[in-house]
Amino acid sequence: EDQVTQSPEALRLQEGESSSLNCSYTVSGLRGLFWYRQDPGKGPEFLFTLYSAGEEKEKERLKATLTKKESFLHITAPKPEDSATYLCAVQAQTGANNLFFGTGTRLTVIP
Amino acid sequence: DAGITQSPRHKVTETGTPVTLRCHQTENHRYMYWYRQDPGHGLRLIHYSYGVKDTDKGEVSDGYSVSRSKTEDFLLTLESATSSQTSVYFCAISDNFQETQYFGPGTRLLVL
Repeated sequence: EDQVTQSPEALRLQEGESSSLNCSYTVSGLRGLFWYRQDPGKGPEFLFTLYSAGEEKEKERLKATLTKKESFLHITAPKPEDSATYLCAVQAQTGANNLFFGTGTRLTVIP
Repeated sequence: DAGITQSPRHKVTETGTPVTLRCHQTENHRYMYWYRQDPGHGLRLIHYSYGVKDTDKGEVSDGYSVSRSKTEDFLLTLESATSSQTSVYFCAISDNFQETQYFGPGTRLLVL
């Protein structure tokens, strides 16, 4: 069964304190792994798609990496505006057209 | 929100009443999806559409129906709302099969 587990559930960082969020997955043939950011009361906002182990993508203070079993979202020198819930989702190569989402990591960056 | 609107944004209703949520897109994307988001669960797919009048079930489709009569509109109907359907509902769109999905702002539904 396809499954996505995100850790930690919540993370508090001081401004400038770098850290990583983890997304572990099991899927019968990975087509893509997606990272989204979700602010309170809003819909998920697309950040990255990763397709194969070893791939990395960057956007401002965020860098996403992918292995065969997990993905990391590295946050370098975070700012308070990076506070949000970060969602990971995986898509299998076959089967219905949908994404399997994790429950997210709620990040708080303290000034 | 990638040209996606949802209406209403908030709704309170009573058990047993019908409820219809609307998703409207201006991107002319072929695929549209309805998800629900609940505490302790990831987003879960209810139904999706791969074209006008073409729909299929997702993971949690019981108690829900959908319709798509135009490319830009995808309706989600709760025929007889139950308290277990209290949730936040998100619409998403994608240009093609297994392409990136973009989400709308959500509808918060409370069933009393």
